[in-house]
Amino acid sequence: KQEVTQIPAALSVPEGENLVLNCSFTDSAIYNLQWFRQDPGKGLTSLLLIQSSQREQTSGRLNASLDKSSGRSTLYIAASQPGDSATYLCAVRVKPSNTGKLIFGQGTTLQVKP
Amino acid sequence: DVKVTQSSRYLVKRTGEKVFLECVQDMDHENMFWYRQDPGLGLRLIYFSYDVKMKEKGDIPEGYSVSREKKERFSLILESASTNQTSMYLCASSLTQGTNEKLFFGSGTQLSVL
Repeated sequence: KQEVTQIPAALSVPEGENLVLNCSFTDSAIYNLQWFRQDPGKGLTSLLLIQSSQREQTSGRLNASLDKSSGRSTLYIAASQPGDSATYLCAVRVKPSNTGKLIFGQGTTLQVKP
Repeated sequence: DVKVTQSSRYLVKRTGEKVFLECVQDMDHENMFWYRQDPGLGLRLIYFSYDVKMKEKGDIPEGYSVSREKKERFSLILESASTNQTSMYLCASSLTQGTNEKLFFGSGTQLSVL
């Protein structure tokens, strides 16, 4: 059974720091991995999607990497800003949508202090 | 951009009431999902649908039903609301695109059952 773990559960950093959020999964046979951002009381916003054949994806100050063999993904945030404060969730897909579902981690809550 | 719209942002209902949560997406996605999110439990899949009039149970379907009469609309029904169904409900949709399939979420409905 696929399980997704995110460590740490919470992180507080001063503005300007570069930081890494971690996501690990137990079964390397994944279809893709998606990183989301969630602001308090709101829905999820997709940040990056890495296909199983890819090693990394970049969007602005965000870079996500994928190492299937070790069951790990990282989300790198460069030059963090207070506006980056949110909960970040990773999710893996093990099958196509019409046969399966995304499996989510519990999330890492990030606070960036001015 | 894909837009997934949930009809209510906040909802307060009484125990035993029949509750309808509506979700509409505007990008002709064939796959639609209902999740609930609770502190400490993360996101859990209630039901999903990969075509009109098709539905599949997720991890926690008990006490819920769904309806998909039109491709753009996916409704979640609480037949007789109970206090343990107080939660944040999130609707999502996706287009089947192989390993590039991305999930898009609505803003969520915070339901309180008194």
